Amino acid sequence: AQSVTQPDIHITVSEGASLELRCNYSYGATPYLFWYVQSPGQGLQLLLKYFSGDTLVQGIKGFEAEFKRSQSSFNLRKPSVHWSDAAEYFCAVGALGAGSYQLTFGKGTKLSVIP
Amino acid sequence: KAGVTQTPRYLIKTRGQQVTLSCSPISGHRSVSWYQQTPGQGLQFLFEYFSETQRNKGNFPGRFSGRQFSNSRSEMNVSTLELGDSALYLCASSLEGGPMSPLHFGNGTRLTVT
Repeated sequence: AQSVTQPDIHITVSEGASLELRCNYSYGATPYLFWYVQSPGQGLQLLLKYFSGDTLVQGIKGFEAEFKRSQSSFNLRKPSVHWSDAAEYFCAVGALGAGSYQLTFGKGTKLSVIP
Repeated sequence: KAGVTQTPRYLIKTRGQQVTLSCSPISGHRSVSWYQQTPGQGLQFLFEYFSETQRNKGNFPGRFSGRQFSNSRSEMNVSTLELGDSALYLCASSLEGGPMSPLHFGNGTRLTVT
């Protein structure tokens, strides 16, 4: 079964600083990888996804993520954080098996931004 | 295009009662998935419906059930509520389900069991 680990429960950065959120996955085949963001009181919004091809993927709101197969990682980055980026971020891996597809989420990383 | 709509936004129930939550997917989306979100367990997959059929199911007891109607609207029901069922229940829709159809989430229903 697939699994996702987000090692950092809470990260605090200053506005304008760079950001990297870590994500490690466990899955036997080529994974489908996603990053979602959740603002307080809201549902989840898709930031970006990786299926195949170029290992550096661009998403919305200036985010990007890099897939590294050798490290089983899919870290999310942003060069300059804005106060509005404060939210909780979820990494997810999608897996096909037995004719069905399931998305498994990590426990999330809460991002706080200091003005 | 309207997003995924979940009703109600908040619910307070007593242990032993049952509850029904509703989800209206984005127009044209045929797959609806349900997730339970708690601080301790995070996001856990409940089930997925596609064209009125349950296509996939997570590891939840039989007290949790769902259904999908011909217009793709979905309901989930929890019977004999327990304190541990207090959570944010999120519904997500997609065109066809599967990895090529990203999930679009609603804002959730916050269920509190007392």
